Formats: sequence, C-alpha cells, structure tokens
Amino acid sequence: NAGVTQTPKFQVLKTGQSMTLQCAQDMNHNSMYWYRQDPGMGLRLIYYSASEGTTDKGEVPNGYNVSRLNKREFSLRLESAAPSQTSVYFCASSPQSGNNYGYTFGSGTRLTVV
Amino acid sequence: KNEVEQSPQNLTAQEGEFITINCSYSVGISALHWLQQHPGGGIVSLFMLSSGKKKHGRLIATINIQEKHSSLHITASHPRDSAVYICAVDNTDKLIFGTGTRLQVFP
Repeated sequence: NAGVTQTPKFQVLKTGQSMTLQCAQDMNHNSMYWYRQDPGMGLRLIYYSASEGTTDKGEVPNGYNVSRLNKREFSLRLESAAPSQTSVYFCASSPQSGNNYGYTFGSGTRLTVV
Repeated sequence: KNEVEQSPQNLTAQEGEFITINCSYSVGISALHWLQQHPGGGIVSLFMLSSGKKKHGRLIATINIQEKHSSLHITASHPRDSAVYICAVDNTDKLIFGTGTRLQVFP
C-alpha cells in the first residue's frame, strides 16, 4: 500500500530558484494538505484542498502556490525560493475535510534554500 | 501561549519502563490525534480519539474532554519506540499541532 507519496525526498535550491513538490495518494481521499515543519514549532498548514477542484490558504501561504491536478495529486510550488522556506514539507490526505477523519502523511521533503 | 501544549519536551527512559506523554489544549475540539515521527522519517498516525481510551498493542491513549487533556502511555518501552510523538487537535476543519515530545529509550 503506497498511501501518500512525496517527491523529491531531498532538495537544495539557490535563492530565487523555483521548484514543485509533488504529492500523490492512492486511497481515493477527497482532501489533501501541505504542511511545513520547522524546529521548535508544530506543523503549520500552508494550503489545503478540501476536494478536487478547490484549494484554500492555510496559516502560512505566502511564497507558495498549489495545484490540485486531479483527485490523486496535489502539488506545491515555490516560485522564487527564499532561505526562510528551508523546512521539511509534509503532504497529507484524509477521506473528507472537517472533523473526525483520520489523516495519512507522506514521508516528507527536506528542502534547503541557500 | 500555544493552543496545544505537550510535556515533557524531551524524555529518556530505560527499556521496559512505563512512559507517559501529556497533551493539553485550550481550544474546542472534535477529536485529538497522536502521531509518531521517527528520525528522518515520515509521520504515522497512532490514534484518533474523541472520548475515553484507546489501546493498540503496548500503546494506550486517553482523553479527558472536560479537562482538555490527553495522555499517551507506552508500556514495556523498547528502543524501537524512540521517536517524536506529536499531539494534534481537530479544530474547525483544521489540525493544530503540538511541538512534539522527543522520546529516547535506551537498552
């Protein structure tokens, strides 16, 4: 069972470069999420997609864009990377948005911006 | 003050010890999640609970809604339990995460 697959696992970017983090789930979940994890802080929501065709900003959306390509895939794009975006990024999915649904997380992407 | 507080931040134990990790929250919730993250690894969901107690193997999670408090217990701890344990609460369609408790279990 693949669950939630993220690529790449590691990436080093120079300031100003762009890149797209890919996320795919094979559980037929409707909702997908992008989080970032920084030392000493809890995971913070960047963007989410409650269902195919919809996306919404989370707590820390500045500097990012997302695309819900289809029900399976939810990508996160950094148009012009900054050192403040150095972080570990996690994609997650759940059957529905809202309460009382479990979440499945990917294995993370460790991004360093120099 | 963070909306989700975990204690302790760091915990070391000898193999076989009984472990307790605490989570307190200050917002209304519909469910609370316990997650496990191994070094350099992904995040795995351990429990989702909205009342009472759940058990899975050597892990037990409890929640007291009135006191806004949850505990994660590990019985007969083992070095493979070494990980970061994260508490997260479901609050109006989004998860709010604690900063995690780093557990190290030594043989």
